[in-house]
Amino acid sequence: GQQLNQSPQSMFIQEGEDVSMNCTSSSIFNTWLWYKQEPGEGPVLLIALYKAGELTSNGRLTAQFGITRKDSFLNISASIPSDVGIYFCAGSGGGSNYKLTFGKGTLLTVNP
Amino acid sequence: EADIYQTPRYLVIGTGKKITLECSQTMGHDKMYWYQQDPGMELHLIHYSYGVNSTEKGDLSSESTVSRIRTEHFPLTLESARPSHTSQYLCASSESGRGSGYGYTFGSGTRLTVV
Repeated sequence: GQQLNQSPQSMFIQEGEDVSMNCTSSSIFNTWLWYKQEPGEGPVLLIALYKAGELTSNGRLTAQFGITRKDSFLNISASIPSDVGIYFCAGSGGGSNYKLTFGKGTLLTVNP
Repeated sequence: EADIYQTPRYLVIGTGKKITLECSQTMGHDKMYWYQQDPGMELHLIHYSYGVNSTEKGDLSSESTVSRIRTEHFPLTLESARPSHTSQYLCASSESGRGSGYGYTFGSGTRLTVV
């Protein structure tokens, strides 16, 4: 089946720093999604990308759908303590394949 | 405000007990999913449903079973709980039409501990 490689596995940064994480796939995706999971909660959708090359922002978050359709990245600028959590990328081949494939997650810790 | 609800949020139960984890959504989504999440963070799909009376096993083998008698309800049952079932269980749902392009909406999860 489809697999996603998400990196880094964890990040330990100081407040105010910028953060970058990415996902790569062995196969083409038609949709890329980024989720954040806070402690004790379920993942929440941050950004959805539907077109190769698309660059989308949500506040301090920016995500891009790679031109090859096999990768995506998420940047967080000027991190704050509430950015702490697990970030997941997810991809879908679209069509009749309704299931998302999730990356293994990036654990972000922000030191105030 | 959450449109998908999981109960209980936390459950500590003895070995051998039968348990049912509840999941309900008010969005009219056709598709629903159960994920198991270990402390290692990774999400493992254990069951999914594309509609009423449709259930399929996911990528990770699980001793649990599910049912989908109503669109809004997707309970997960363990007939005989074991310590190896200790985990976080997450329920999710998604719309039809654009496939998974709209993404999944997740519940807050049930943290199950079997002692």
